[in-house]
Amino acid sequence: DTGVSQDPRHKITKRGQNVTFRCDPISEHNRLYWYRQTLGQGPEFLTYFQNEAQLEKSRLLSDRFSAERPKGSFSTLEIQRTEQGDSAMYLCASSLDLAVYEQYFGPGTRLTVT
Amino acid sequence: AQSVTQPDIHITVSEGASLELRCNYSYGATPYLFWYVQSPGQGLQLLLKYFSGDTLVQGIKGFEAEFKRSQSSFNLRKPSVHWSDAAEYFCAVGPREGGGNKLTFGTGTQLKVEL
Repeated sequence: DTGVSQDPRHKITKRGQNVTFRCDPISEHNRLYWYRQTLGQGPEFLTYFQNEAQLEKSRLLSDRFSAERPKGSFSTLEIQRTEQGDSAMYLCASSLDLAVYEQYFGPGTRLTVT
Repeated sequence: AQSVTQPDIHITVSEGASLELRCNYSYGATPYLFWYVQSPGQGLQLLLKYFSGDTLVQGIKGFEAEFKRSQSSFNLRKPSVHWSDAAEYFCAVGPREGGGNKLTFGTGTQLKVEL
């Protein structure tokens, strides 16, 4: 069990550029969650998948954000036309169906938009 | 709407002293309750959870938490703090039914341990 991994760990980009983050969940976990954490705040839910199906999206997830989990394994989160307000830590978590609240978190991807 | 309040942004304790971190929640019904710890460069780690039953729950690393329904609180405690406990602590809630199993977090309490 290698845990949840995220790549990259840090990303600096210029405003208006597109960025994509990857999350690899624990291998047998079929639920995958994305959260965003800004400075001085707790994580905020963005979206979650059960296998390849995206079942819920937060209102925080504007049209510029898209998440996929094409084969029910890894997931990507893309932000188009980044804005300075997108600067945050993006956290991925995974869980089993039978233990949905035992969410295991990855180390996060810190995005800085200049 | 559900919310979680952690009234203490920063807490400093001496190593060996006892610790209590406060958490209050606002929810339509008693949610599931959690405490997570986040160390620099590390992911959030689940310390303990309350689903039902005994209102005093034991977690990892010597932590415990007590659920008090009348006060809508779920405070985290540790009898003797170690320097390695310095980290940020988050209280979280999750709905018992529906809600997509998403967690709602408080704003966190940064713990500093003085040697």
